[in-house]
Amino acid sequence: SQTIHQWPATLVQPVGSPLSLECTVEGTSNPNLYWYRQAAGRGLQLLFYSVGIGQISSEVPQNLSASRPQDRQFILSSKKLLLSDSGFYLCAWTGEFYEQYFGPGTRLTVT
Amino acid sequence: GQSLEQPSEVTAVEGAIVQINCTYQTSGFYGLSWYQQHDGGAPTFLSYNALDGLEETGRFSSFLSRSDSYGYLLLQELQMKDSASYFCAVRDEGSARQLTFGSGTQLTVLP
Repeated sequence: SQTIHQWPATLVQPVGSPLSLECTVEGTSNPNLYWYRQAAGRGLQLLFYSVGIGQISSEVPQNLSASRPQDRQFILSSKKLLLSDSGFYLCAWTGEFYEQYFGPGTRLTVT
Repeated sequence: GQSLEQPSEVTAVEGAIVQINCTYQTSGFYGLSWYQQHDGGAPTFLSYNALDGLEETGRFSSFLSRSDSYGYLLLQELQMKDSASYFCAVRDEGSARQLTFGSGTQLTVLP
């Protein structure tokens, strides 16, 4: 069965510091992978998605970037965090009908 | 573009039946999916409808009417553990590799 991992689970970072969040998937090959952000009490905002190694589509202009260096690895990065980057970051892969299966998430607080 | 509407809050008592509605506007339509998210946790996939009708999975059922651009999630024999946020999401021809999520419905189950 497929499993998706994210780390760290929680992160507190100062404004202006860099960020790197990692997501890995097991049990499937060539998955479509997605990064979402969820502000407290809000819905899910799609940030990036990737259909293969090195292929990244950005949905929201921002100071974040994503990379897919390996088939089952998806990385979310920032060079300088803003207060507005705080939120719950979720990685997901898609099933047969593009239903989403989410990882456990990383709760980021920018101070 | 796409837009989805669902009620922000629903309250019901244990053992009751509750229906959470979702209306959508899309340019073309592939399917409607539902997700459950408990406080502090990641969303989990519940159901998917591509065709009109009712899909049943245990106590949960999901309905779709493509002609009305409308669907609902039906929860029967409510339990306290069903207290959570529920999101509908659509996939359409304009953005075939991604989903657009509604803003979520907070369900509170009272004893």
